[in-house]
Amino acid sequence: EIVLTQSPATLSLSPGERATLSCRASQSVSSYLAWYQQKPGQAPRLLIYDASNRATGIPARFSGSGSGTDFTLTISSLEPEDFAVYYCQQRSNWPRPCTFGQGTKLEIK
Amino acid sequence: QVQLQESGPGLVKPSGTLSLTCAVSGGSISSSNWWSWVRQPPGKGLEWIGEIYHSGSTNYNPSLKSRVTISVDKSKNQFSLKLSSVTAADTAVYYCARDMATVTTSWFDPWGQGTLVTVSS
Repeated sequence: EIVLTQSPATLSLSPGERATLSCRASQSVSSYLAWYQQKPGQAPRLLIYDASNRATGIPARFSGSGSGTDFTLTISSLEPEDFAVYYCQQRSNWPRPCTFGQGTKLEIK
Repeated sequence: QVQLQESGPGLVKPSGTLSLTCAVSGGSISSSNWWSWVRQPPGKGLEWIGEIYHSGSTNYNPSLKSRVTISVDKSKNQFSLKLSSVTAADTAVYYCARDMATVTTSWFDPWGQGTLVTVSS
C-alpha cells in the first residue's frame, strides 16, 4: 500500500498570507495525485486532480505541483473561507486501491 | 449537475450488517463513471472502501474486501454498500462519490453529504 504523509499537521496563518501544504508518497505515484478541502460537517470537495489540474469552479488562488513522490498545494493569498482541512489522495495503477493522506489543518492565526 | 445522497440506518448492532444506499440524480449511473464509497471515522481521516461500474464490476479495498459488497441498481439509478460483521471500529461517516476513473488513476467528484453510522448495542 502506498502511504501518503502530509505536513505540517497544522498550519497557522493569517488571511492574505500564502499557504504551502506538502504531501509525500512512500513510492512514486507519477502525477496521479488529487487534493481535497473539507470544512467541518461537510463532505470533501475536489480542488486539484492529476497533481496540477484545478477542478471546475475552483479559484485560481489554488494551485498544485509535483510529481513522483513530492507534491505541494499552494494557496496564494488566503481568504477566510479557505481555513479547513486538506487531504491528498493517490490512485496510481488503477484499479489498485487509492489511499489518502492524514490531512493538514489550516487554521487562522 | 450530478448529485449524490446517502441513506440508511444510523445505528447498527455489533456483528450485524451495515447497509447504505446512494441515490444519483442529475445524471445516469450508467454513464462512463465508476461509483465509490469512502468512510471517515469521527475526527479521523478518509478511507476508500470500494467502487462499482454500472456493469456490476467492482474493486474493493483489500483491508475490507472480505466484509464488503457493493451493488448497483440501474433501474433506480442508485448503488449500495453492505458491510458485514461490523464492530465499533466501523463507526464512521460514510460518503458516496462519483469516481472519475481513467485507465491509470481516479479521483472523487462530487461527493454526497455523508451519513453517520454508529455501531453500538
